[in-house]
Amino acid sequence: EVHLVESGGGLVQPGRSLRLSCAASGFPFDDYGMHWVRQTPGKGLEWVSGISWNSGKIGYGDSVKGRFTISRDNAKNSVYLQMNSLRAEDTAFYYCVKDMYPYYDILTDQNWLDPWGQGTLVTVSS
Amino acid sequence: DIQLTQSPSFLSASVGDRVTITCRASQGIRSYLAWYQQRPGKAPKLLIYAASTLQSGVPSRFSGSGSGTDFTLTISSLQPEDFATYYCQQVNSYPLTFGGGTKVDIK
Repeated sequence: EVHLVESGGGLVQPGRSLRLSCAASGFPFDDYGMHWVRQTPGKGLEWVSGISWNSGKIGYGDSVKGRFTISRDNAKNSVYLQMNSLRAEDTAFYYCVKDMYPYYDILTDQNWLDPWGQGTLVTVSS
Repeated sequence: DIQLTQSPSFLSASVGDRVTITCRASQGIRSYLAWYQQRPGKAPKLLIYAASTLQSGVPSRFSGSGSGTDFTLTISSLQPEDFATYYCQQVNSYPLTFGGGTKVDIK
């Protein structure tokens, strides 16, 4: 069974940094693209970033481009989201999500998202 | 970016009812649409992808249809565990975008 466990969320002041981690198990991690999606009560669901199975392609949503960096360590079955220059509007639940199909680059039309982790809450506030 | 508009935003229904939720895309997305169910306090769960393909393990009372700009999710006979919020999402182009959600509540 696939398990995705996010960690690293918490309360952080505006302008500071936070690093989210996602530990994956139950599938050949290095075969699958991975994504971060966030959810807020006000703005709903928003795709944040994605990384291909071999880190060959990476993408970001416009609202985080230049501030967030996605990476993965296939030896550790983990994907990360480094979040810098945090803003109040970054406050959200952050979900780690797996591509449904192996070996597809992200930024294609085959990036069906399944399954999702349980999420970690990031609160940006002074 | 492709905008997805769901309707209604909220609907009240009874167990056994047939429920239909629509999702309209701001431009054509072929059949690259998914539907998710989210129960309170839980992560979204994929129900349908490629507009009409049922994800493994999802009950057959769920079905999806449509292509281009107009899509529907139908629950043929609402069950107690189906009271949740439903989202559509497109993978036709990046950034991936989601609809605003439809909350299905008990009448």
